[in-house]
Amino acid sequence: AQKVTQTQTSISVVEKTTVTMDCVYETRDSSYFLFWYKQTASGEIVFLIRQDSYKKENATVGHYSLNFQKPKSSIGLIITATQIEDSAVYFCAMREGSNYNVLYFGSGTKLTVEP
Amino acid sequence: DTTVKQNPRYKLARVGKPVNLICSQTMNHDTMYWYQKKPNQAPKLLLFYYDKILNREADTFEKFQSSRPNNSFCSLYIGSAGLEYSAMYLCASSIRQISNERLFFGHGTKLSVL
Repeated sequence: AQKVTQTQTSISVVEKTTVTMDCVYETRDSSYFLFWYKQTASGEIVFLIRQDSYKKENATVGHYSLNFQKPKSSIGLIITATQIEDSAVYFCAMREGSNYNVLYFGSGTKLTVEP
Repeated sequence: DTTVKQNPRYKLARVGKPVNLICSQTMNHDTMYWYQKKPNQAPKLLLFYYDKILNREADTFEKFQSSRPNNSFCSLYIGSAGLEYSAMYLCASSIRQISNERLFFGHGTKLSVL
């Protein structure tokens, strides 16, 4: 079974608007860590933001923020004031506290930001 | 320097021939990973080294080999490439003991098998 699921395969938005990308995860661990990465056009995968399961506050870094809904096993990525350069594939990922070694990825959401 | 370097960026291989991909990092990370990424799919963990200990995923156990002669360097070896090996191969590193530590990825090697 998929541990991390991203149902949106692609999203298109107009520049300077806000976009939300969905991600749900599955784990039995009480401690786990959630990440969002971005894959640029060159193929490089870049870390964006992280949420630790024991933290109630939603993480925020620059114009990225998270909507962590623990009861729903959901971790949405919100990008405000989108820019053309935000166009990329965004991956949600999870690491379980019982197994540091494995980072489970979702299949990604392709974001296109248009002028 | 917080980069992971991979060589080459692009690799062309013939079916049945061996392939060797190289990765290095200078962050003194104890763990190095190899992922396979195909279009429209999630990155798939192939194997990782924690220090000198190699761990290979069960479903790719026989397809990929690796070596880590020192802390900074890790290779991925395919003994006999098949068409299904065409993919982006991503190397990453991290400090295992920091549970919420992110992975640092290299730019990847795009392997095309013909």
